[in-house]
Amino acid sequence: NAGVTQTPKFQVLKTGQSMTLQCAQDMNHEYMSWYRQDPGMGLRLIHYSVGAGITDQGEVPNGYNVSRSTTEDFPLRLLSAAPSQTSVYFCASSSNPGQGAFSYPTDTQYFGPGTRLTVL
Amino acid sequence: DQQVKQNSPSLSVQEGRISILNCDYTNSMFDYFLWYKKYPAEGPTFLISISSIKDKNEDGRFTVFLNKSAKHLSLHIVPSQPGDSAVYFCAAKVYNNNDMRFGAGTRLTVKP
Repeated sequence: NAGVTQTPKFQVLKTGQSMTLQCAQDMNHEYMSWYRQDPGMGLRLIHYSVGAGITDQGEVPNGYNVSRSTTEDFPLRLLSAAPSQTSVYFCASSSNPGQGAFSYPTDTQYFGPGTRLTVL
Repeated sequence: DQQVKQNSPSLSVQEGRISILNCDYTNSMFDYFLWYKKYPAEGPTFLISISSIKDKNEDGRFTVFLNKSAKHLSLHIVPSQPGDSAVYFCAAKVYNNNDMRFGAGTRLTVKP
């Protein structure tokens, strides 16, 4: 059981470049999410997904796209990187006990090790 | 608009003593609160949580207290151990809303 894996661990981009941060989990979790962590700001939710084919925006979605074609994978795309997107990015997953209307993730939200992104 | 605040960026305690980490929130709609622990170069790991219908939840050495009227929660670690040295994040959310808000974190150092 690898848990939540993220690639790459480190990335340097130039302004305007695009890239995809990869996230995968092998726990068959329905709920997956992306956060960014900035100094003095804690973690902020970018996008989340409650299952394959279903995504929604979090607190800071601008400049990022997501899709969820499989249960396992939840990539985060930066279409045109900006220096303000320099951050550490965490992917997380958890099981979703809700039926019908989504409740909320269980306590055990598993986080990946993070991707440190620098945009010059 | 930081709805969850951890006003102490760092805390240092002696091994065996109590560590108290504090967290304040502004959104009265929050009804579920969590603490996460984070070591360097790793993702956060869940530690303990509390629902707004309770004022205390205990798990081994870790106890979380919730004061709804003051919009304040705290994490008590007794006794503190050097392995507890990490950054602790407080988080809060509303039932049926996926937007979990985190505080900026408190770096705890437990000295042997």
